[in-house]
Amino acid sequence: AQTVTQSQPEMSVQEAETVTLSCTYDTSESDYYLFWYKQPPSRQMILVIRQEAYKQQNATENRFSVNFQKAAKSFSLKISDSQLGDAAMYFCAYRSGGGNQFYFGTGTSLTVIP
Amino acid sequence: DTGVSQDPRHKITKRGQNVTFRCDPISEHNRLYWYRQTLGQGPEFLTYFQNEAQLEKSRLLSDRFSAERPKGSFSTLEIQRTEQGDSAMYLCASSLAGGLAGYNEQFFGPGTRLTVL
Repeated sequence: AQTVTQSQPEMSVQEAETVTLSCTYDTSESDYYLFWYKQPPSRQMILVIRQEAYKQQNATENRFSVNFQKAAKSFSLKISDSQLGDAAMYFCAYRSGGGNQFYFGTGTSLTVIP
Repeated sequence: DTGVSQDPRHKITKRGQNVTFRCDPISEHNRLYWYRQTLGQGPEFLTYFQNEAQLEKSRLLSDRFSAERPKGSFSTLEIQRTEQGDSAMYLCASSLAGGLAGYNEQFFGPGTRLTVL
C-alpha cells in the first residue's frame, strides 16, 4: 500500500505570513493524484488543492499553492497571507490513477497567531 | 444543504452493543466511501460502493462491521458487539465516478464520533 508521510505534527504562522506544510509519499506508480484537505476543528474536511502527477505545473488556488517534486515524491503546500480561518488540521492524500482508495497522512495542525 | 450528511453526529454506547450509522451522499454521486479516523491519525479507508455494489473492503473491516447501500443512495455502517477499540470518528465521503477530469474528488461528511465505554 502507498504511504503518505507528514513529518510536521504541528506548525504555527503569524497572520499575513507564509507557511509551508510538508508531505512525502511512497509509490511505484506513475499515474496518480495528490490532494491537500483541510479539517477545521469539529467541522468536515474540505478539499484545498489537487495535483495530477503527469502535470509538471504546480497547482494554485488563490492563496494556496503546491510544490510538486515528482522525482523526490514530495508535495508541499504553501499558504500565503495566512488568515485566522486557515487554522485547521491539514491532510495530504494520495490516490492512484486506477484506484479509488485515498491514502492519508497523519496530518499537520496549523495554528495562526494573530 | 446539498452536501454529505451523517447521522448521528455523536454516539456513546457500552461495549458489546450494536450501533448503526447513516450517510446520505450528494444526490448525484454514485460512489460512497467509509473511513475511520482515530485521534492523531488521518482517515483510514474502510470500504466503498459504486451505486449499490460494495466493490472494495479494507482488512480493517472486521466481521463485526457491515456496510450496505441498498438502493444506491444512502448507506449504513453497522458495528456489532462494539469494543473500546472501535472508538473513533467514522467519516463518509461521496464522489462522482469519472467526474472532474478523473480526480474522483471526494466530498466528506461531518462524521459520526463513536465512543465505546
